[in-house]
Amino acid sequence: DVKVTQSSRYLVKRTGEKVFLECVQDMDHENMFWYRQDPGLGLRLIYFSYDVKMKEKGDIPEGYSVSREKKERFSLILESASTNQTSMYLCASSPHSGVGGSPLHFGNGTRLTVT
Amino acid sequence: KNQVEQSPQSLIILEGKNCTLQCNYTVSPFSNLRWYKQDTGRGPVSLTIMTFSENTKSNGRYTATLDADTKQSSLHITASQLSDSASYICVVSGNTGGFKTIFGAGTRLFVKA
Repeated sequence: DVKVTQSSRYLVKRTGEKVFLECVQDMDHENMFWYRQDPGLGLRLIYFSYDVKMKEKGDIPEGYSVSREKKERFSLILESASTNQTSMYLCASSPHSGVGGSPLHFGNGTRLTVT
Repeated sequence: KNQVEQSPQSLIILEGKNCTLQCNYTVSPFSNLRWYKQDTGRGPVSLTIMTFSENTKSNGRYTATLDADTKQSSLHITASQLSDSASYICVVSGNTGGFKTIFGAGTRLFVKA
């Protein structure tokens, strides 16, 4: 079974802090994704990566950056956290056969609160 | 504009009853449609995938249908169980040169004993 592990289930940070959300997958998947999930909205893509050191902006990249130094690890960085970044963050991975043709495998999420 | 709309937003049913969740989409060109189940505090898990040529697909007590002409899909749950309480998310992928995946906001299902 694919396992996607997010390092923290809950985080509370102050406005202006730099925040790192870590995600590791154990199935050698090429594609990795960061989404945020807010009530009443569908998951929105922040960034994705299709290979080591490669990254692409999703639909809502503003205020975020990412890092993929190793194939299994994809980090989401909030350079200066703001209250409107309070959300549930979900990491996902999929093999290179194409996002549409393969299911996304999700971690259990990190609930971030910025005060 | 590519959109995925799900209804109802939430639903309460008694254990053992059936229910149907709806998904309408405007994603074009269409590649495939997936239903995910998201338990509270967990990430979504794929239930079914449907491509353009498929009308019905079952996974145990879950049956998904697709009408590509009207751009509608439904997820039917038979003989509901308490463990079916979850959010069900419709996800549509389009093929626009790159991949575009649009998530619905989900239907929150509560199954009561």
